[in-house]
Amino acid sequence: QSALAQPASVSGSPGQSITISCTGTSSDVGGYDSVSWYQQHPGKAPKLIIYEVTNRPSGVSNRFSGSKSGNTASLTISGLQAEDEADYHCSSYTSSSTFEIFGGGTKLTVL
Amino acid sequence: QITLKESGPPLVKPTQTLTLTCTFSGFSLNTLGVGVGWIRQPPGKALEWLALLHWDDDERYSPFLKNRLTITKDTAKNQVVLTMTNMDPVDTATYYCAHRRGYFDFWGQGTLVTVSS
Repeated sequence: QSALAQPASVSGSPGQSITISCTGTSSDVGGYDSVSWYQQHPGKAPKLIIYEVTNRPSGVSNRFSGSKSGNTASLTISGLQAEDEADYHCSSYTSSSTFEIFGGGTKLTVL
Repeated sequence: QITLKESGPPLVKPTQTLTLTCTFSGFSLNTLGVGVGWIRQPPGKALEWLALLHWDDDERYSPFLKNRLTITKDTAKNQVVLTMTNMDPVDTATYYCAHRRGYFDFWGQGTLVTVSS
C-alpha cells in the first residue's frame, strides 16, 4: 500500500501560517478520525502534536491545529517560529491489512 | 511518566536475524486499549510501521514484512521484542518502539541498525 501523500517541502517566514496536506483514501484518512501528526527534528524521535484529526496533546502549542476534509487531512501552523523548522509526518489507521500507514513526510523550512 | 527505550545490535550481516528489545516504564501492557508498536525510518526517508502488539495479545504486522516479523512480550520485564529475519541492506534504518493508545503518543529515542557484510 502506498504511503499517504504529503508535499516534500513547504516554507514560510516567521509569523506566517503554513498548511501541510496529507492525502489518503476512504480506507484510511477519509474513513476514520484516526489521523495523527508528528514533528521530528533532525536526529530526534518523532513527537506527537495532533491526534484524532484535531486534538492536541498536553503541552503542545495551540499554534498547531489539524483538520480533515474528505480524504485529505491538514496540519496548520500559525505564527511560524524558527523552532518549528522540522519534518512533519502524518499517519492514519487503515482498514486495509496494513493497519497503520504513514505519510512520506514534509520538510518545513522557516525562512 | 511513560518512557520507552530500544536496544539491539548496531550492525548485522545480510541474512542474519535482528532482535530488538523495547524496555518501557510508566504503563502496563495489560491495560485495556494499550499497545506497543515498532516503526522504522531509513536514513533520510519516511516512517514505516512494522508491527504492533496489543494489551490482549492481538498481533498486527505490516503485510509487506509479515513473513519476516515476530513481536512478543515479556510482561514481567516490561519488554516487547521484535525479531526480523533475513536482514538485507535495505533494512538499514533507525528502529523506534512507541506506546499506542489509538495513536503513538510516546516514542523511544530509536536505535540505528546497519545491515552490512
